[in-house]
Amino acid sequence: GAVVSQHPSRVICKSGTSVKIECRSLDFQATTMFWYRQFPKQSLMLMATSNEGSKATYEQGVEKDKFLINHASLTLSTLTVTSAHPEDSSFYICSARDSSGTLGNTEAFFGQGTRLTVV
Amino acid sequence: DAKTTQPTSMDCAEGRAANLPCNHSTISGNEYVYWYRQIHSQGPQYIIHGLKNNETNEMASLIITEDRKSSTLILPHATLRDTAVYYCIVRSRRNAGGTSYGKLTFGQGTILTVHP
Repeated sequence: GAVVSQHPSRVICKSGTSVKIECRSLDFQATTMFWYRQFPKQSLMLMATSNEGSKATYEQGVEKDKFLINHASLTLSTLTVTSAHPEDSSFYICSARDSSGTLGNTEAFFGQGTRLTVV
Repeated sequence: DAKTTQPTSMDCAEGRAANLPCNHSTISGNEYVYWYRQIHSQGPQYIIHGLKNNETNEMASLIITEDRKSSTLILPHATLRDTAVYYCIVRSRRNAGGTSYGKLTFGQGTILTVHP
């Protein structure tokens, strides 16, 4: 099946530093990728929609200057958590859908997630 | 997208069928029913989707009532590895070419525990 890869799977960083998370579609092209956040014992919440070659669309309440999204190619989107604080500790998950028709399927596929811990 | 209601948790014995219900009484004619599951500390995994006919694949079966106001996901022979949170999501496929397509709204889901 289609594979969406996230890196790193786990990261621990100091408060005030920035962390970059990568999301790659490995066997298809994705003009659109989605970033979700999940706190313990809660459901996934959409943060933003990442569009290749254009600005990301952020959900209400998500700070675009804190969560920088770059989607510079058809197979890679990055989420940078800037000036991270302990309250940013969470499970970050990306998803992507095949925009090239390679898979014959337009559904979204999810990465394995990134566990961010800010100390 | 229509809202869904699922039980908070369910138990199932290993080897038995797991039947997970979902209510979506406000579903509209162009909305599909999707099921995903999330095993602990992993990203969600697509299971199955359907419009009005029952569907079956290698993972599960989806039974949708005739009025489409509810559905049931069936795992025919549950294993311990099926322990996960199962999400029922209702979504339109009308704008399949749009940039927002693929965006999913997750509810709380059903925590399915399969025990020996």
